[in-house]
Amino acid sequence: GENVEQHPSTLSVQEGDSAVIKCTYSDSASNYFPWYKQELGKRPQLIIDIRSNVGEKKDQRIAVTLNKTAKHFSLHITETQPEDSAVYFCAASNVFQKLVFGTGTRLLVSP
Amino acid sequence: DARVTQTPRHKVTEMGQEVTMRCQPILGHNTVFWYRQTMMQGLELLAYFRNRAPLDDSGMPKDRFSAEMPDATLATLKIQPSEPRDSAVYFCASVSSYEQYFGPGTRLTVT
Repeated sequence: GENVEQHPSTLSVQEGDSAVIKCTYSDSASNYFPWYKQELGKRPQLIIDIRSNVGEKKDQRIAVTLNKTAKHFSLHITETQPEDSAVYFCAASNVFQKLVFGTGTRLLVSP
Repeated sequence: DARVTQTPRHKVTEMGQEVTMRCQPILGHNTVFWYRQTMMQGLELLAYFRNRAPLDDSGMPKDRFSAEMPDATLATLKIQPSEPRDSAVYFCASVSSYEQYFGPGTRLTVT
């Protein structure tokens, strides 16, 4: 089955810096790659997603890139703000709607 | 703003007791997932349903866990008997197309 690895497990940056989180997946049939943000004590919320027919997608300060050949995808957050502090999960889907999640990255943005 | 709801939000119970968690998916969503989240294991898929039929429950300990979807507005996850290692946050999520919408979770503590 699908396996998703996520790095780093923790990431500390200064406000205004960029943050990059990377994930690799194992199943070349995976075709959907969402990113979720989870604040402490709250539910995971989708922040951006990408499908396998697209190489990059942007939404304001957030972007996701996908390299199908290498089977990895990354989340890029620019101009980080303290409210970006949270745990971020990547996921991959190789069966319609079923997600396999990475282990999460705890992002801390210091003022 | 339609949301997935879960009850109860918190449950403390003694080992050996039965626990039932409920989830109301967003109206019109025909796929429901159950996840368990712990610090050690991250987000684990327990089971999921499409059009109320179970599609995959391979992530669930069969001897004590059961999941059902008696109608389109209710999914249940039951643990009997509960054990301390079941302590976790249990999320359900319902799906529209690709995006999974998570409920607020049930925080279960088994003493």
